[in-house]
Amino acid sequence: QVQLQESGPGLVKPSETLSLTCTVSGGSISSFYWSWIRQPAGKGLEWIGRLYTSGNSDYNPSLKSRVTMSGDTSKNQFSLRLSSVTAADTAVYYCARDRKEAAGYGLDVWGQGTTVTVS
Amino acid sequence: QSALTQPASVSGSPGQSITISCTGTSSDVGSYNLVSWYQQHPGKAPKLMIFEVNKRPSGVSNRFFGSKSGNTASLTISGLQAEDEADYYCCSYAGSYTFDVFGGGTKLTVL
Repeated sequence: QVQLQESGPGLVKPSETLSLTCTVSGGSISSFYWSWIRQPAGKGLEWIGRLYTSGNSDYNPSLKSRVTMSGDTSKNQFSLRLSSVTAADTAVYYCARDRKEAAGYGLDVWGQGTTVTVS
Repeated sequence: QSALTQPASVSGSPGQSITISCTGTSSDVGSYNLVSWYQQHPGKAPKLMIFEVNKRPSGVSNRFFGSKSGNTASLTISGLQAEDEADYYCCSYAGSYTFDVFGGGTKLTVL
């Protein structure tokens, strides 16, 4: 079955860029859409953005100016970059798969999450 | 402040039924039959329990039931079990500018 694994630095300095990678096994990133979601400690989920099979992306309007997502089909990975981070970006970051090649139909496979602290 | 409003907590005894509400607007819940629900146990990743308002992924118990009326979606869990104790989040598609919006989450306690 499809499995997702997030990886990247656990500690990022303020004003720098957070970079995370999601490695997909058991499936291809050339199929389905792929999302990033984050969750500050003790708080709710926040959708960050979605990577489409075309290579294009859409982002949460509140983060759009700082977010970039991309995919590497040769490595079957997709990535998240969040620039100019502050303490408010400290959270557990999850990658997830959209059930369909369409937005809003549910995220059916999730990575285990990776904690990123901005300090 | 979350885009969708959920009660902070609900509780019920084993065997009982509970309902968690998720209130949005005519721009999200009210406009699309694209509401999903996620269950999250402490320290774990969320798990998809309901998609497209009332559909269950394979393997999810039929004790979980989703519905929608107007701008409010609901998740009903019948025959409560201890393992149902978790946080529950709703999520709605909100169009091609806002995309996916989550609720603030509801902590379910099984007494």
